[in-house]
Amino acid sequence: EVQLVESGGGLIQPGGSLRLSCAASGFTVYNNYMTWVRQAPGKGLEWVSVIYSGGNTFYADSVKGRFIISRDYSKNTLYLQMNSLRVEDTAVYYCTNRVYWGQGTLVTVSS
Amino acid sequence: DIQMTQSPSTLSASIGDRVTITCRASQSISSWLAWYQQKPGKAPKLLISKASSLESGVPSRFSGSGAGTEFTLTISSLQPDDFATYYCQQYNTNSETFGQGTKVEIK
Repeated sequence: EVQLVESGGGLIQPGGSLRLSCAASGFTVYNNYMTWVRQAPGKGLEWVSVIYSGGNTFYADSVKGRFIISRDYSKNTLYLQMNSLRVEDTAVYYCTNRVYWGQGTLVTVSS
Repeated sequence: DIQMTQSPSTLSASIGDRVTITCRASQSISSWLAWYQQKPGKAPKLLISKASSLESGVPSRFSGSGAGTEFTLTISSLQPDDFATYYCQQYNTNSETFGQGTKVEIK
């Protein structure tokens, strides 16, 4: 059974940094297309970033230059390093390969 | 970036109704379109990929059609479990985008 489990969310002040993790089981992160999708409270889905099987990465304009997507082969884990956080980054963050989704982790950016 | 526009934003329907949701892309995305269902407090669930390919385990009352810039999701006979919010997503480019969502409510 495939499971994706996100962690690392929490309350952070504007300008701060957080690293989200997405631990996979029954599924190999390293060989697959993986994305981060977020959902602000009461709002719709917003695509954030992608890492392809070959390692190429792309970002939404709203996070470009601030967020970094990466993966660890030995830990079978996807990451999202989030820097220079803004109030508007407040959201539940999901890792997904489109078919499989984690349960989400809440990031709250507030002073 | 490609903009995805869903209509309607909200839809009121009764059990057994045929329901159609439309998604329009600001430029051609071939058939690189997915449809998701999301219930409150839950992660989205993939229903359809490549515009019309039904995912394993998804009831056959769901179907998708379209190509280029115009797409539809149809529920042939609405069931109680189908009341949810539905999103389209294009993945034709390296910068993917979602529609704003369509909430299907009980009439």
